[in-house]
Amino acid sequence: DAKTTQPNSMESNEEEPVHLPCNHSTISGTDYIHWYRQLPSQGPEYVIHGLTSNVNNRMASLAIAEDRKSSTLILHRATLRDAAVYYCILREQYSKTSYDKVIFGPGTSLSVIP
Amino acid sequence: DAGVIQSPRHEVTEMGQEVTLRCKPISGHDYLFWYRQTMMRGLELLIYFNNNVPIDDSGMPEDRFSAKMPNASFSTLKIQPSEPRDSAVYFCASSPRDRGLAGVGTGELFFGEGSRLTVL
Repeated sequence: DAKTTQPNSMESNEEEPVHLPCNHSTISGTDYIHWYRQLPSQGPEYVIHGLTSNVNNRMASLAIAEDRKSSTLILHRATLRDAAVYYCILREQYSKTSYDKVIFGPGTSLSVIP
Repeated sequence: DAGVIQSPRHEVTEMGQEVTLRCKPISGHDYLFWYRQTMMRGLELLIYFNNNVPIDDSGMPEDRFSAKMPNASFSTLKIQPSEPRDSAVYFCASSPRDRGLAGVGTGELFFGEGSRLTVL
């Protein structure tokens, strides 16, 4: 299974941009890069995903390196509510009859300082 | 939609007792996942279903754990007998089929709020 590497923890000041890195050097050509986050005492929630091109949605932006061996989740203005554990996950695609396991690593614990 | 609904939210039981955790997925979702989360091991995938059929249960830790999905709107995770090391938060998640590549499931997972189990 393709694996990801993330820093254990990061800090950010409130209202500043946050760049959360993820390394996935063994990514295969058909792996999607997904990000989830888990707020305290809640289940994980989907943030964003992409394949090759950078992606934007209302929650965040995803910047994918040209060689796809790394990606960065960008929170444009961190708020206190963004304090959470952020997971970078690779979603492998097999066949039409199969489904990839969604495996979570330890993620990055983001602290937001008021 | 109400989202994924799990019950109970909290369960405290004594070692040796049977525990049943319940999950109602989002209507129309084809996939259902059970995860366990502890401080030591993080989020672990226990088992997942596709159209009510168990696809991969390799994450189920022991024979004491069993999961069923009798219909598209209900799943249970049972632990019998329970042990203190089973104390954890158990999450259920459901997912639709991918709306992009037909037949390949890369849809986002929608998680419930979890069931916190404490075994004394």
